[in-house]
Amino acid sequence: DGGITQSPKYLFRKEGQNVTLSCEQNLNHDAMYWYRQDPGQGLRLIYYSQIVNDFQKGDIAEGYSVSREKKESFPLTVTSAQKNPTAFYLCASSFVGGSNYGYTFGSGTRLTVV
Amino acid sequence: KQEVTQIPAALSVPEGENLVLNCSFTDSAIYNLQWFRQDPGKGLTSLLLIQSSQREQTSGRLNASLDKSSGRSTLYIAASQPGDSATYLCAVGAAGNKLTFGGGTRVLVKP
Repeated sequence: DGGITQSPKYLFRKEGQNVTLSCEQNLNHDAMYWYRQDPGQGLRLIYYSQIVNDFQKGDIAEGYSVSREKKESFPLTVTSAQKNPTAFYLCASSFVGGSNYGYTFGSGTRLTVV
Repeated sequence: KQEVTQIPAALSVPEGENLVLNCSFTDSAIYNLQWFRQDPGKGLTSLLLIQSSQREQTSGRLNASLDKSSGRSTLYIAASQPGDSATYLCAVGAAGNKLTFGGGTRVLVKP
């Protein structure tokens, strides 16, 4: 079945450590996105990519980095510069170029600073 | 900048009652609007997508309407069931395929 796989489901980070969240899709979607979800807040866009080897900052990119070396993969690194990284991270993908294209989401990664 | 609002933030209804969830947005220049369901600790599941040229979409007990001129969408869920308990999020799509999300409405359907 086609879909988006996020791993790991739970991740614990020590202070000053970088961690990388994985996102893989087999839907042949062009675009991929990373969102952050905090309790009581809507989803906020971190980074997005519409084509391999190209990506753009979203609304809250500081302290995060991404790469898009393959169409299927869009890993997110949470760096030590991100002061409040504890949150639920969601990856999504979509086709581009038409209003009939919706997003498909992964099951999320919950990151906790210990 | 697009802003999306969902009111109320939480809603509790007895089983069998129809659910009406509201979503408003500030910029009418949208590509589409998508409704999602989120269960606790899970990802988002797409329910309905309404293109900007459409007025409504239906899937089973779900019906979503879109009024771009007034910046509103409504999700109707007929004959609610306890399994409908979840958080419902609306998201507005714009140029560049970027989505802007509302804060969600948390629904509890009591047996």
